[in-house]
Amino acid sequence: EPEVTQTPSHQVTQMGQEVILRCVPISNHLYFYWYRQILGQKVEFLVSFYNNEISEKSEIFDDQFSVERPDGSNFTLKIRSTKLEDSAMYFCASSDRARNEKLFFGSGTQLSVL
Amino acid sequence: AQSVAQPEDQVNVAEGNPLTVKCTYSVSGNPYLFWYVQYPNRGLQFLLKYITGDNLVKGSYGFEAEFNKSQTSFHLKKPSALVSDSALYFCAVGNQAGTALIFGKGTTLSVSS
Repeated sequence: EPEVTQTPSHQVTQMGQEVILRCVPISNHLYFYWYRQILGQKVEFLVSFYNNEISEKSEIFDDQFSVERPDGSNFTLKIRSTKLEDSAMYFCASSDRARNEKLFFGSGTQLSVL
Repeated sequence: AQSVAQPEDQVNVAEGNPLTVKCTYSVSGNPYLFWYVQYPNRGLQFLLKYITGDNLVKGSYGFEAEFNKSQTSFHLKKPSALVSDSALYFCAVGNQAGTALIFGKGTTLSVSS
């Protein structure tokens, strides 16, 4: 079965540094998402992306966050100036349909901000 | 606002016994409900979804879920648990626009041999 691929699997950074988390969605999918899971807490929606635009974003997704699809295959999440509370597992997901459809998740990037 | 609740942090069951992982929901409008499973060091995997129709939804790996509108519940079930079912299970509901999932906090299922 096709998979969503995320790199790196682990990222350690210093507070205030910029990080870019990378994802390769399934090739024929058009809808892309980022979710995160702080240790021991819920999986939280960050942002959805379609047709090179943000479709929807949560309150978590503030000005420190941005997403980009720089080419036909990658989908990235950038955090400009990381905070301690950004430490979490970040999941990328993709879907071939717009609404209330099955999402395919990557294995996640564990971000640790020191 | 849409939300789901998973009242149990952990469910323990012996192999071969039936299992139930509970989920209740609160929505405006029609509910779009999902179950996902997360194995260690893996991403979330889709198990099943309810949009409309039969209240008993069949999914992957022998799992099924029962939608109960009067009790606002969507419990995950399996008639005979396997040790390999041990994992973290998430209930989720689609937001009103249908463009994002709102997850519960997850329930750890532990199946003993």
